[in-house]
Amino acid sequence: DAGVTQSPTHLIKTRGQHVTLRCSPISGHKSVSWYQQVLGQGPQFIFQYYEKEERGRGNFPDRFSARQFPNYSSELNVNALLLGDSALYLCASSLQGASYNEQFFGPGTRLTVL
Amino acid sequence: AQTVTQSQPEMSVQEAETVTLSCTYDTSESDYYLFWYKQPPSRQMILVIRQEAYKQQNATENRFSVNFQKAAKSFSLKISDSQLGDAAMYFCAYRSRANAGGTSYGKLTFGQGTILTVHP
Repeated sequence: DAGVTQSPTHLIKTRGQHVTLRCSPISGHKSVSWYQQVLGQGPQFIFQYYEKEERGRGNFPDRFSARQFPNYSSELNVNALLLGDSALYLCASSLQGASYNEQFFGPGTRLTVL
Repeated sequence: AQTVTQSQPEMSVQEAETVTLSCTYDTSESDYYLFWYKQPPSRQMILVIRQEAYKQQNATENRFSVNFQKAAKSFSLKISDSQLGDAAMYFCAYRSRANAGGTSYGKLTFGQGTILTVHP
C-alpha cells in the first residue's frame, strides 16, 4: 500500500505570493495533520482535519488555511508569503483523529521563499 | 501548554555500541503518550517507539528501549548495538490522551531534535 504522499517535493516562491501544498493520506485514513518544520528545529503543529472538519489549529497566523476533501486528501494554503515561511511542510495521516491513532508522515514539501 | 526539551543537539556513537538520547517534558496532564521519531536525511519521519503514560513498564522495540520516569517527566531513548542506519535526527514528541473538547487531540508537540552520528 502507498504511504502518505505530498506534492510538490520542492517549491520556490517569492515574498507576497501564495502557495498550495497537497497531501494524500494512506488509504482508509480519515484524518490529516499539517506540520511546519523550520531547518534545524522540530515540527510545529499547524492544523488537524478529520472528516473534512477542522479539529485543531496551532499558533499560526490567518495567512495559513487548509481544507480536506471528500476523498480525505488535503490542501494547505499560505497567503502573502514571508521569508520566515521557508520550511519543510509535513503532512501526517491517521485512521481517525483520536489521540491513540498512530500518525504516519509523508516525505514533506520543501518550500523556499525568496 | 505542553513543552518538550531535548538538551543534546548532537550525539555520536561507535557502531555496535550503546547510546542514550535524553528528553524532558512539561505537562499538567496525567494521561498522555510519548514518542520517539527518527528523521533520516530523506526527511521521512518514522515512528521508533511509543510509551503510554499510564503504563509503568518501559516500552521496547528490538534494539530500542525507553526509560520513562513519569514523576521526573523524563523520557530517554536507548539504542543498543548501534548500526550505521541509525544515523538520523531523533525527535521526542508528546501527545495528550484526553480529547480536549474535540480540539487538537491528534496534535504532536515535538522537541528540538538530536542529531545522532554513528561512526564505523
